[in-house]
Formats: sequence, C-alpha cells, structure tokens
Amino acid sequence: AQSVTQPDIHITVSEGASLELRCNYSYGATPYLFWYVQSPGQGLQLLLKYFSGDTLVQGIKGFEAEFKRSQSSFNLRKPSVHWSDAAEYFCAVGGTYKYIFGTGTRLKVLA
Amino acid sequence: DGGITQSPKYLFRKEGQNVTLSCEQNLNHDAMYWYRQDPGQGLRLIYYSQIVNDFQKGDIAEGYSVSREKKESFPLTVTSAQKNPTAFYLCASRKAGGRGDQETQYFGPGTRLLVL
Repeated sequence: AQSVTQPDIHITVSEGASLELRCNYSYGATPYLFWYVQSPGQGLQLLLKYFSGDTLVQGIKGFEAEFKRSQSSFNLRKPSVHWSDAAEYFCAVGGTYKYIFGTGTRLKVLA
Repeated sequence: DGGITQSPKYLFRKEGQNVTLSCEQNLNHDAMYWYRQDPGQGLRLIYYSQIVNDFQKGDIAEGYSVSREKKESFPLTVTSAQKNPTAFYLCASRKAGGRGDQETQYFGPGTRLLVL
C-alpha cells in the first residue's frame, strides 16, 4: 500500500540550531516527492520537490532535502533555523493524479 | 497575480443545511482538488477533477458534492449528510501533462467550516 510516514509529530529546536525532519514513504514506482509548509490558518506553500536527477534538492527559505532510494526517505534539512520557521511541515508523495500526505510535523522554535 | 482563491475564509453551517465553498484559479491549470484537514490527520482527498465536466471521488467523498462547469472553478458543497463537517478545507490545482514539474499541486488559503 502507498503511504507516507512522518514519525515526529512535534519537534522543538533552538533558533540557530540545525533541523532535520524525517519522511519515509512506501510507493510502487519512483515517486514524485514534495515538502510543504503551513502556517496556522493558512494554505500549504511548496518548499521543494524532487522528480528525478540530483538527489539533493534545494528549496526556498534555505531548506534542502535528500532523496535516498535505498531508505525510501526524503528528509528535510535546514542548517540554521529562524524563529519564522515555526510552522507545520508536510511531506507528500505524488503520482500522476493524486498525492499522499504525511500527517505533518509541527516545528517549534525556541528563542 | 496568478493564484488560487478560496472563499469565504470562515463559514458557519446550521444543522441540516448545505453549504458551498468556492475555489477559483487563474493559473490555467487543468486539474483541481479538494482536501479536508483535521488536526493530526494530515490532508485527506475529497474529490478531484482532471478536466471540465468530469470529477472523481477521493478517499472521503461521502457527504460532499462537487461540480466542474468551468476550468477555473471547482466549488465544493458540504451536504447535510456530512455529519462531522467541522474542518479546514483546502483547494489545490495542478497543470496536467504528465511531465515532472507539471505534477506539482498548488494550494489556496483554505476555508474553515464550523457548525453552529
């Protein structure tokens, strides 16, 4: 069955610290992979996406993610977190028509 | 500016009432989607439409209905049959074509539906 797992429901980091949000997926073929960010009461904003090619992809706001086929993972990273990064982050796997979303990781940033 | 608009931002439903959420896009996207978001459950697909006058049920279509009479518009009706409609509703769209970058879904700002 196709699925996306974000094992961390909540993560708290200090401002300036590094961040890694985990995403594991189960999908029959090579998937399209996405990370979105959502601020409270807002829609989802695309951070980055992977379709093919270089397995390390760069996104907006200083985020990057690495596709590891052997581990079925697409973890999101940022070297230095800013207070404005506090939000909920969703990983998604997509095929031709439909996406499957993870349940999200809520990030809290300590000043 | 191209984008996706959803209205209203907040919507209140009375018992037994049908309500309609609006979604409009001017991105010239072919496919449109409706998702329901509940705390701790991520996004669940309600309906999607690949082309005008055609739409398919998603994972949780019961109690909802849609229409796609125009490419730009994909309204969602929450019927009285939906017994637990309180949620955040998100509309998304995508340019069809099957090539990688065209698979990206873009989202509107959402509508929060509350039951009185």
